[in-house]
Amino acid sequence: DAGVTQSPTHLIKTRGQQVTLRCSPKSGHDTVSWYQQALGQGPQFIFQYYEEEERQRGNFPDRFSGHQFPNYSSELNVNALLLGDSALYLCASSLWPSDTQYFGPGTRLTVL
Amino acid sequence: GENVEQHPSTLSVQEGDSAVIKCTYSDSASNYFPWYKQELGKGPQLIIDIRSNVGEKKDQRIAVTLNKTAKHFSLHITETQPEDSAVYFCAAFYTGNQFYFGTGTSLTVIP
Repeated sequence: DAGVTQSPTHLIKTRGQQVTLRCSPKSGHDTVSWYQQALGQGPQFIFQYYEEEERQRGNFPDRFSGHQFPNYSSELNVNALLLGDSALYLCASSLWPSDTQYFGPGTRLTVL
Repeated sequence: GENVEQHPSTLSVQEGDSAVIKCTYSDSASNYFPWYKQELGKGPQLIIDIRSNVGEKKDQRIAVTLNKTAKHFSLHITETQPEDSAVYFCAAFYTGNQFYFGTGTSLTVIP
């Protein structure tokens, strides 16, 4: 049973660039949530996708956008990167409307 | 929104001893409280969870207790082992909203 997978594992970008991160949910799950985890902090909720629509959004600017595909996989896009966007980006999947979420290994984004 | 406070931020115990981590939440509507274990370089792993209609839940060496009146919940690990060393996060959630995580507890089990 495949768990949540994310790609790439690591990514280095420069300020002002754009980045796309990818997530495949756990087998049988249809809902994907994205989190940002700064060093030494707990994950912070960015947004959640179900049925290819953004269902909830945390306190993140419009530079953060996402998409969900018919196969339930998802992308997180961040435009106009700032140094402060450097973090571990986590994807979690669940089966709607269950609140039990399972996390992937994350993508480490470094902005120089 | 919800606010989740977690204590202590670091905890060291001798192998075989018990470890307790406590979290408080602010929103009385929260009804689901998971605990995650995060090892270095990995994503958080769900280890146990509890819902607001239950006061205690146990899974082998791990247990979670919930006090809805006081709005706090705790993780108890008994007979700790070196492989229990990790960062532990609590979270609070209510249906139709988002997860709010605590700031984490770094647990070190000394052999």
